[in-house]
Amino acid sequence: DVKVTQSSRYLVKRTGEKVFLECVQDMDHENMFWYRQDPGLGLRLIYFSYDVKMKEKGDIPEGYSVSREKKERFSLILESASTNQTSMYLCASSPRGPGAAQQFFGPGTRLTVL
Amino acid sequence: GESVGLHLPTLSVQEGDNSIINCAYSNSASDYFIWYKQESGKGPQFIIDIRSNMDKRQGQRVTVLLNKTVKHLSLQIAATQPGDSAVYFCAYYSNDYKLSFGAGTTVTVRA
Repeated sequence: DVKVTQSSRYLVKRTGEKVFLECVQDMDHENMFWYRQDPGLGLRLIYFSYDVKMKEKGDIPEGYSVSREKKERFSLILESASTNQTSMYLCASSPRGPGAAQQFFGPGTRLTVL
Repeated sequence: GESVGLHLPTLSVQEGDNSIINCAYSNSASDYFIWYKQESGKGPQFIIDIRSNMDKRQGQRVTVLLNKTVKHLSLQIAATQPGDSAVYFCAYYSNDYKLSFGAGTTVTVRA
């Protein structure tokens, strides 16, 4: 059974803290993505990576950075968490080529910044 | 720019009835659309897709219709069941690996 896993389901952090969200996929996919999901706004792309050590900004990259040192792992970093980064964070992966559009999602991390 | 939007944020359906979820898009160059289902506490899951050279595609109990003239697509669920209660997203795929999602429609199935 293919899987995308995220390090935490729930996380509570304080304003100004550095936050790491980890994502691991076991499907040998080239592409990996980080989204945030907010009510009424759907999913918005923060960053994505189409290869190891490669990264591309999505639609809302401000306040975030990413790291992809290994093919299976894609990390989202909040350098200095703020209350407006309270959200559900979803990681996804997809293969290169014809199946690239069909993204597989993890269960999400609900982050609360106090 | 591109945008994908849904007509209604919520839909309440009687069990056994058919459900229709609508989505509009603005990009005339859109050529690949996907519907995702997100159950409570889970990430979105692929349901069905359709390319712009098709008007209709059927899956198991689901049908997607694409009307390129009015830039509209819909997801029809036949004989809606309690397990169909979820948030449904339409998404547009662009060739640079990215998906653009609509805001989602929450479907609630009444017993």
